[in-house]
Amino acid sequence: NAGVTQTPKFQVLKTGQSMTLQCAQDMNHNSMYWYRQDPGMGLRLIYYSASEGTTDKGEVPNGYNVSRLNKREFSLRLESAAPSQTSVYFCASKLTGKAEAFFGQGTRLTVV
Amino acid sequence: SQELEQSPQSLIVQEGKNLTINCTSSKTLYGLYWYKQKYGEGLIFLMMLQKGGEEKSHEKITAKLDEKKQQSSLHITASQPSHAGIYLCGADSGRSQGNLIFGKGTKLSVKP
Repeated sequence: NAGVTQTPKFQVLKTGQSMTLQCAQDMNHNSMYWYRQDPGMGLRLIYYSASEGTTDKGEVPNGYNVSRLNKREFSLRLESAAPSQTSVYFCASKLTGKAEAFFGQGTRLTVV
Repeated sequence: SQELEQSPQSLIVQEGKNLTINCTSSKTLYGLYWYKQKYGEGLIFLMMLQKGGEEKSHEKITAKLDEKKQQSSLHITASQPSHAGIYLCGADSGRSQGNLIFGKGTKLSVKP
């Protein structure tokens, strides 16, 4: 099993550029999540999707959009990247309810 | 909204010593998760607690959820360098418990 796969692993963007972070899971999980991790801030939820076709804002959604393309895939889009979006981004998935979440290996994004 | 507060923020212990990390929630916990993260990597699931008073162990790590289900502790016995990393508590939150939030993490260093 591949688990949760994120691409790319590393990315450098110029301010104002756009890009999409991809996430796919092969565990038939309903819920998928996007987090950003910054020093001293822990994991902050950007958006989540409790099921195919639904998305909800998390704690820090501004500047991001998401698409739950199908049950497997949940993408995160930065329309106009800003230096404040420099961070490590993690995708996760789980069965809705009380079950452990599985995490991808993260995407290190630098916006210059 | 629900918040998770972890203490301490960081911890340095001598190899062989015991230690405890705490996680306190602003609301009743319906599912509490402990994860470990090594620098630059994704999160590894350790344990999940659901019932008040529940206690679980994995190797030398024990986690407890208090009776009121608002506080959890993670205890490591006879720490080893392999225990070093960031420990995060997470919880199901929000509408239909579909939101998965995390504390800011506790950075553990173990001196040989």
